[in-house]
Amino acid sequence: EADIYQTPRYLVIGTGKKITLECSQTMGHDKMYWYQQDPGMELHLIHYSYGVNSTEKGDLSSESTVSRIRTEHFPLTLESARPSHTSQYLCASSWPGPTYEQYFGPGTRLTVT
Amino acid sequence: EDKVVQSPLSLVVHEGDTVTLNCSYEVTNFRSLLWYKQEKKAPTFLFMLTSSGIEKKSGRLSSILDKKELFSILNITATQTGDSAIYLCAANNNAGNMLTFGGGTRLMVKP
Repeated sequence: EADIYQTPRYLVIGTGKKITLECSQTMGHDKMYWYQQDPGMELHLIHYSYGVNSTEKGDLSSESTVSRIRTEHFPLTLESARPSHTSQYLCASSWPGPTYEQYFGPGTRLTVT
Repeated sequence: EDKVVQSPLSLVVHEGDTVTLNCSYEVTNFRSLLWYKQEKKAPTFLFMLTSSGIEKKSGRLSSILDKKELFSILNITATQTGDSAIYLCAANNNAGNMLTFGGGTRLMVKP
């Protein structure tokens, strides 16, 4: 069973605040990903990591940053939230290689007012 | 640029109907195609297809890949209201398990 957790599940926050979205997985997966998904739209990859101390930007430009200090943990930070950051953020993890599926966390729905 | 296109965008059927969802892709160094079901939250994995012509089946769901024509279909037979969801198709390139997602097909099954 896939165990990947995200907190908070919902967040409403004012403009200019710094926020960190947490993502943890207990499967020992090397690869982790952050996707952004607006309602009714595609998932867009914003960050990914091959392992500890590895982070890369995805296809969709994002003002967020990520870190990977531990295998199981891949937090995403927005230094100064704006209404344009309102979206759903989905974290995923997988083993390396193209024959392994990605497992998704439950998502964080962020609203910036 | 890698691209995945799904059709139809949305579909409304009645319980017991059979549906076919389509996914076409243009991906450099294509390696596999995945189907996910997304209800209110996280996408859950359904199938991974790597070889043409080999049907994968799980209960009432089945899927097949055509690597020559660059498409896949997902079939759901005897649909139930619990099948209502967004079905996502994603193509995986060989560059390290990177997925390009389609826009999804929103399926609604009415009682």
